[in-house]
Amino acid sequence: DGGITQSPKYLFRKEGQNVTLSCEQNLNHDAMYWYRQDPGQGLRLIYYSQIVNDFQKGDIAEGYSVSREKKESFPLTVTSAQKNPTAFYLCASSIGTNEQYFGPGTRLTVT
Amino acid sequence: GQNIDQPTEMTATEGAIVQINCTYQTSGFNGLFWYQQHAGEAPTFLSYNVLDGLEEKGRFSSFLSRSKGYSYLLLKELQMKDSASYLCAVYNTNAGKSTFGDGTTLTVKP
Repeated sequence: DGGITQSPKYLFRKEGQNVTLSCEQNLNHDAMYWYRQDPGQGLRLIYYSQIVNDFQKGDIAEGYSVSREKKESFPLTVTSAQKNPTAFYLCASSIGTNEQYFGPGTRLTVT
Repeated sequence: GQNIDQPTEMTATEGAIVQINCTYQTSGFNGLFWYQQHAGEAPTFLSYNVLDGLEEKGRFSSFLSRSKGYSYLLLKELQMKDSASYLCAVYNTNAGKSTFGDGTTLTVKP
């Protein structure tokens, strides 16, 4: 079955630690995206990538980093520089300007 | 930049019809998406409007007026399972990405 996966579903970290969230897709989509969602709010774009080895900052990139070494994978690192990292993180992929397919999300809690 | 407005919350009765509005201001508009998101889950795609007019898909329909920067999602014969957040998203060709509104939380009551 084709789809997009994120792991883990829940993640707990201590303040000051970097953490990497996984996102893998086997839909053969060129474009991939990372969003952050806080309670009662919409999705805010962190980073996006339209092709392998290239990515652009979204609206809230500070404190985050990404890589796109393979078409299937787009990991997100939440660094210690991110001041409020606790949130629900969603990864998505698409073919060009078409609809986005979302992974199940990772709920990150930093204490 | 882009500005997208949706009502925060709406309530409707099972079996009724509800219309969720979305207004936007953007440059480089290429299309407007509607997604459904149940609590604690990922969004799922509902509709995509590129041209003006009404797109119907079963119980759900979506309308777009590009000149007015306005769209609505129409849900007919409401069911309890339609209780969810509905997200409006505008794709900007110049930026190569979508911007999401904050979503409208719909509660369907018996």
